[in-house]
Amino acid sequence: AQTVTQSQPEMSVQEAETVTLSCTYDTSENNYYLFWYKQPPSRQMILVIRQEAYKQQNATENRFSVNFQKAAKSFSLKISDSQLGDTAMYFCAFMKRGREKSGGSNYKLTFGKGTLLTVNP
Amino acid sequence: GAGVSQTPSNKVTEKGKYVELRCDPISGHTALYWYRQSLGQGPEFLIYFQGTGAADDSGLPNDRFFAVRPEGSVSTLKIQRTERGDSAVYLCASSLTIASGRNAWKTGELFFGEGSRLTVL
Repeated sequence: AQTVTQSQPEMSVQEAETVTLSCTYDTSENNYYLFWYKQPPSRQMILVIRQEAYKQQNATENRFSVNFQKAAKSFSLKISDSQLGDTAMYFCAFMKRGREKSGGSNYKLTFGKGTLLTVNP
Repeated sequence: GAGVSQTPSNKVTEKGKYVELRCDPISGHTALYWYRQSLGQGPEFLIYFQGTGAADDSGLPNDRFFAVRPEGSVSTLKIQRTERGDSAVYLCASSLTIASGRNAWKTGELFFGEGSRLTVL
């Protein structure tokens, strides 16, 4: 079974500053995906960034980037130039890639407990 | 709207009652998922549908929980004899199914709804 650990229940950052959220995971799988999701008070989970384990290059999406350390099973999220709208819960998640076969191969997300990020003006 | 729609947004019920939670996925998405998010936790997988059939219901906690998707679109999560421990936000997500070979497919990005908050008194 996979586990995802987010060791920072809460973080805060000043507007325009940079913040890094930590995530570690445990798995015996070699092929998998890692995700960061944002959950604002509206409760809707919004995909922030995605990393495929077989890709060595760290994923980036505008102000969001990850530091993926496969050997250490670490997957941190860096938010640059923080904005007030970034205030939300952030969840790290794991999805096994699995063997593609009839019936689908990858679908089950395992989430961490989340980090509440507050961006202060 | 074009997103995943969940109703009701909030439901308060008494212990022992029966409840139904509805999910209307994005049009054309054949894969549909239910997750449960308890207070202070990340979402936990309940069940996954590929079309009309439940491809994986291993996350349903017990036989009081049941979900259907009779026409391969709208899904209903049904909870019988509700207990206080069932109080949580129930999230639905949908995704495209991408053909990746003969009799094989994989799921694309998951799009989440805003959830149904269930409170059992």
